[in-house]
Amino acid sequence: SQKIEQNSEALNIQEGKTATLTCNYTNYSPAYLQWYRQDPGRGPVFLLLIRENEKEKRKERLKVTFDTTLKQSLFHITASQPADSATYLCAPLSGGYNKLIFGAGTRLAVHP
Amino acid sequence: EPEVTQTPSHQVTQMGQEVILRCVPISNHLYFYWYRQILGQKVEFLVSFYNNEISEKSEIFDDQFSVERPDGSNFTLKIRSTKLEDSAMYFCASSEKKPSNYGYTFGSGTRLTVV
Repeated sequence: SQKIEQNSEALNIQEGKTATLTCNYTNYSPAYLQWYRQDPGRGPVFLLLIRENEKEKRKERLKVTFDTTLKQSLFHITASQPADSATYLCAPLSGGYNKLIFGAGTRLAVHP
Repeated sequence: EPEVTQTPSHQVTQMGQEVILRCVPISNHLYFYWYRQILGQKVEFLVSFYNNEISEKSEIFDDQFSVERPDGSNFTLKIRSTKLEDSAMYFCASSEKKPSNYGYTFGSGTRLTVV
Protein backbone atom coordinates (compact mmCIF):
# COMPACT_ATOMS: atom_id res chain seq x y z
CA SER A 1 0.00 0.00 0.00
CA GLN A 2 1.03 3.63 -0.46
CA LYS A 3 3.14 4.95 2.36
CA ILE A 4 4.37 8.45 3.23
CA GLU A 5 7.12 8.86 5.81
CA GLN A 6 8.16 12.02 7.55
CA ASN A 7 10.48 12.31 10.53
CA SER A 8 8.28 11.67 13.53
CA GLU A 9 10.71 13.30 15.93
CA ALA A 10 10.65 17.04 16.32
CA LEU A 11 13.39 19.03 14.65
CA ASN A 12 14.95 21.62 16.93
CA ILE A 13 17.17 24.27 15.38
CA GLN A 14 18.65 27.63 16.25
CA GLU A 15 17.25 30.81 14.76
CA GLY A 16 19.06 31.78 11.57
CA LYS A 17 19.99 28.22 10.61
CA THR A 18 18.53 26.23 7.72
CA ALA A 19 15.88 23.65 8.57
CA THR A 20 15.68 20.59 6.33
CA LEU A 21 12.66 18.29 6.50
CA THR A 22 12.36 14.98 4.66
CA CYS A 23 9.42 13.27 3.00
CA ASN A 24 9.81 9.75 1.64
CA TYR A 25 7.11 7.80 -0.16
CA THR A 26 6.79 4.20 -1.31
CA ASN A 27 4.60 2.10 -3.56
CA TYR A 28 3.45 4.85 -5.87
CA SER A 29 4.68 7.47 -8.30
CA PRO A 30 3.20 10.88 -7.63
CA ALA A 31 3.14 13.47 -10.37
CA TYR A 32 3.03 16.30 -7.86
CA LEU A 33 3.98 16.88 -4.28
CA GLN A 34 2.60 19.56 -2.01
CA TRP A 35 3.89 20.94 1.28
CA TYR A 36 1.67 22.45 3.96
CA ARG A 37 2.18 24.12 7.30
CA GLN A 38 -0.08 23.36 10.25
CA ASP A 39 -0.20 25.31 13.49
CA PRO A 40 -1.79 23.72 16.60
CA GLY A 41 -5.59 23.65 16.37
CA ARG A 42 -5.61 25.12 12.86
CA GLY A 43 -6.12 23.78 9.36
CA PRO A 44 -3.17 23.10 7.05
CA VAL A 45 -1.96 26.03 4.97
CA PHE A 46 -0.63 25.41 1.46
CA LEU A 47 3.00 26.43 0.93
CA LEU A 48 4.39 24.96 -2.29
CA LEU A 49 3.65 22.50 -5.07
CA ILE A 50 6.36 20.81 -7.12
CA ARG A 51 5.85 18.70 -10.23
CA GLU A 52 7.70 15.50 -11.10
CA ASN A 53 9.57 17.21 -13.94
CA GLU A 54 10.80 19.99 -11.63
CA LYS A 55 13.87 19.26 -9.57
CA GLU A 56 13.59 22.30 -7.35
CA LYS A 57 11.17 25.07 -6.50
CA ARG A 58 11.68 28.20 -4.41
CA LYS A 59 9.43 30.70 -2.70
CA GLU A 60 11.06 33.37 -0.58
CA ARG A 61 12.96 31.48 2.18
CA LEU A 62 11.48 28.12 1.20
CA LYS A 63 13.00 25.58 -1.16
CA VAL A 64 11.60 22.19 -2.14
CA THR A 65 13.31 19.42 -4.09
CA PHE A 66 11.68 16.37 -5.63
CA ASP A 67 13.75 13.29 -6.49
CA THR A 68 11.56 10.71 -8.19
CA THR A 69 14.41 8.21 -8.29
CA LEU A 70 14.96 8.32 -4.53
CA LYS A 71 11.20 8.79 -3.98
CA GLN A 72 11.96 11.70 -1.74
CA SER A 73 11.24 15.39 -1.28
CA LEU A 74 13.30 17.75 0.86
CA PHE A 75 11.85 20.94 2.29
CA HIS A 76 14.26 23.67 3.35
CA ILE A 77 13.64 26.85 5.32
CA THR A 78 16.63 29.17 5.21
CA ALA A 79 17.34 31.86 7.81
CA SER A 80 14.76 30.23 10.08
CA GLN A 81 12.78 32.29 12.58
CA PRO A 82 10.83 31.33 15.71
CA ALA A 83 7.65 32.15 13.73
CA ASP A 84 8.50 29.21 11.44
CA SER A 85 7.83 26.84 14.34
CA ALA A 86 4.96 24.57 13.24
CA THR A 87 4.26 21.10 11.88
CA TYR A 88 5.05 20.65 8.19
CA LEU A 89 3.09 18.13 6.15
CA CYS A 90 3.93 16.65 2.79
CA ALA A 91 1.31 15.29 0.40
CA PRO A 92 2.38 13.43 -2.74
CA LEU A 93 -0.37 13.54 -5.35
CA SER A 94 -0.85 11.16 -8.25
CA GLY A 95 -1.84 12.57 -11.59
CA GLY A 96 -5.52 12.24 -12.38
CA TYR A 97 -6.49 12.25 -8.73
CA ASN A 98 -7.39 15.19 -6.54
CA LYS A 99 -7.27 13.47 -3.19
CA LEU A 100 -4.50 14.69 -0.93
CA ILE A 101 -3.08 12.09 1.43
CA PHE A 102 -0.86 13.62 4.09
CA GLY A 103 2.16 12.32 5.88
CA ALA A 104 2.12 12.48 9.67
CA GLY A 105 4.18 15.67 9.55
CA THR A 106 7.38 16.85 11.17
CA ARG A 107 7.25 19.36 14.01
CA LEU A 108 9.81 22.12 13.67
CA ALA A 109 10.86 24.21 16.66
CA VAL A 110 13.09 27.23 15.99
CA HIS A 111 14.74 28.58 19.14
CA PRO A 112 15.90 32.19 19.54
CA GLU B 1 -7.64 36.76 0.73
CA PRO B 2 -10.60 34.35 0.20
CA GLU B 3 -11.25 31.94 3.05
CA VAL B 4 -13.05 28.68 3.70
CA THR B 5 -15.44 29.26 6.59
CA GLN B 6 -16.50 26.50 8.98
CA THR B 7 -19.21 26.56 11.62
CA PRO B 8 -19.46 25.90 14.45
CA SER B 9 -15.88 26.12 15.70
CA HIS B 10 -16.69 23.73 18.53
CA GLN B 11 -19.56 21.25 18.87
CA VAL B 12 -20.28 19.00 21.82
CA THR B 13 -22.80 16.23 21.27
CA GLN B 14 -24.07 13.15 23.02
CA MET B 15 -23.23 9.73 21.67
CA GLY B 16 -25.88 8.57 19.22
CA GLN B 17 -26.95 12.07 18.23
CA GLU B 18 -26.76 13.44 14.70
CA VAL B 19 -24.47 16.36 13.92
CA ILE B 20 -24.11 18.56 10.88
CA LEU B 21 -20.87 20.39 10.27
CA ARG B 22 -21.07 23.32 7.91
CA CYS B 23 -18.61 24.80 5.48
CA VAL B 24 -18.66 27.68 3.00
CA PRO B 25 -15.95 26.99 0.39
CA ILE B 26 -14.33 29.67 -1.73
CA SER B 27 -16.87 30.83 -4.28
CA ASN B 28 -15.09 29.95 -7.56
CA HIS B 29 -13.74 26.61 -6.33
CA LEU B 30 -15.11 23.45 -7.87
CA TYR B 31 -13.69 20.67 -5.67
CA PHE B 32 -14.62 20.17 -2.04
CA TYR B 33 -13.25 17.91 0.66
CA TRP B 34 -13.65 16.86 4.25
CA TYR B 35 -10.72 15.74 6.38
CA ARG B 36 -10.48 14.86 10.04
CA GLN B 37 -7.69 14.90 12.60
CA ILE B 38 -7.93 12.97 15.83
CA LEU B 39 -5.94 14.66 18.58
CA GLY B 40 -2.22 13.95 18.16
CA GLN B 41 -2.71 12.06 14.91
CA LYS B 42 -2.36 12.90 11.25
CA VAL B 43 -4.82 14.66 8.96
CA GLU B 44 -6.95 11.96 7.32
CA PHE B 45 -8.95 12.15 4.10
CA LEU B 46 -12.68 11.47 4.39
CA VAL B 47 -14.35 12.43 1.12
CA SER B 48 -14.04 14.50 -2.04
CA PHE B 49 -16.97 16.07 -3.86
CA TYR B 50 -17.19 17.42 -7.38
CA ASN B 51 -20.04 18.24 -9.74
CA ASN B 52 -22.62 17.54 -7.03
CA GLU B 53 -21.49 14.04 -6.29
CA ILE B 54 -18.91 12.16 -4.26
CA SER B 55 -15.82 11.52 -6.37
CA GLU B 56 -13.89 9.52 -3.79
CA LYS B 57 -14.24 8.42 -0.19
CA SER B 58 -12.05 6.69 2.36
CA GLU B 59 -12.77 3.62 4.48
CA ILE B 60 -13.55 5.97 7.38
CA PHE B 61 -16.47 7.46 5.43
CA ASP B 62 -19.00 4.72 6.13
CA ASP B 63 -22.80 4.77 6.03
CA GLN B 64 -22.90 6.99 9.11
CA PHE B 65 -21.44 9.85 7.09
CA SER B 66 -22.98 11.86 4.29
CA VAL B 67 -22.17 15.08 2.48
CA GLU B 68 -24.37 17.56 0.73
CA ARG B 69 -24.14 20.80 -1.17
CA PRO B 70 -27.71 22.00 -0.64
CA ASP B 71 -27.24 25.35 -2.38
CA GLY B 72 -24.54 27.17 -4.30
CA SER B 73 -22.50 28.06 -1.26
CA ASN B 74 -22.76 25.58 1.62
CA PHE B 75 -21.09 22.18 1.89
CA THR B 76 -22.12 20.01 4.84
CA LEU B 77 -20.91 16.86 6.55
CA LYS B 78 -23.51 14.89 8.49
CA ILE B 79 -22.74 12.18 11.00
CA ARG B 80 -25.94 10.28 11.65
CA SER B 81 -25.27 8.58 14.96
CA THR B 82 -22.11 9.83 16.59
CA LYS B 83 -19.70 7.55 18.43
CA LEU B 84 -17.03 8.46 20.96
CA GLU B 85 -14.35 7.75 18.35
CA ASP B 86 -15.79 10.42 16.05
CA SER B 87 -14.32 13.04 18.39
CA ALA B 88 -11.82 14.94 16.26
CA MET B 89 -11.14 18.18 14.39
CA TYR B 90 -12.99 18.19 11.09
CA PHE B 91 -11.55 20.30 8.31
CA CYS B 92 -13.30 21.37 5.14
CA ALA B 93 -11.16 22.26 2.12
CA SER B 94 -11.73 23.45 -1.41
CA SER B 95 -9.63 23.76 -4.55
CA GLU B 96 -10.06 25.55 -7.82
CA LYS B 97 -8.58 22.95 -10.09
CA LYS B 98 -7.40 19.37 -10.04
CA PRO B 99 -4.65 19.73 -9.08
CA SER B 100 -4.09 23.36 -8.48
CA ASN B 101 -1.00 25.52 -8.44
CA TYR B 102 -2.60 27.07 -5.41
CA GLY B 103 -3.12 23.88 -3.46
CA TYR B 104 -6.08 23.29 -1.27
CA THR B 105 -7.52 25.96 1.00
CA PHE B 106 -8.54 24.60 4.40
CA GLY B 107 -10.93 26.06 6.90
CA SER B 108 -10.07 26.52 10.56
CA GLY B 109 -11.96 23.40 11.50
CA THR B 110 -14.77 22.27 13.77
CA ARG B 111 -13.74 20.54 16.96
CA LEU B 112 -16.29 17.79 17.55
CA THR B 113 -16.48 16.30 21.04
CA VAL B 114 -18.73 13.29 21.53
CA VAL B 115 -19.60 12.56 25.16
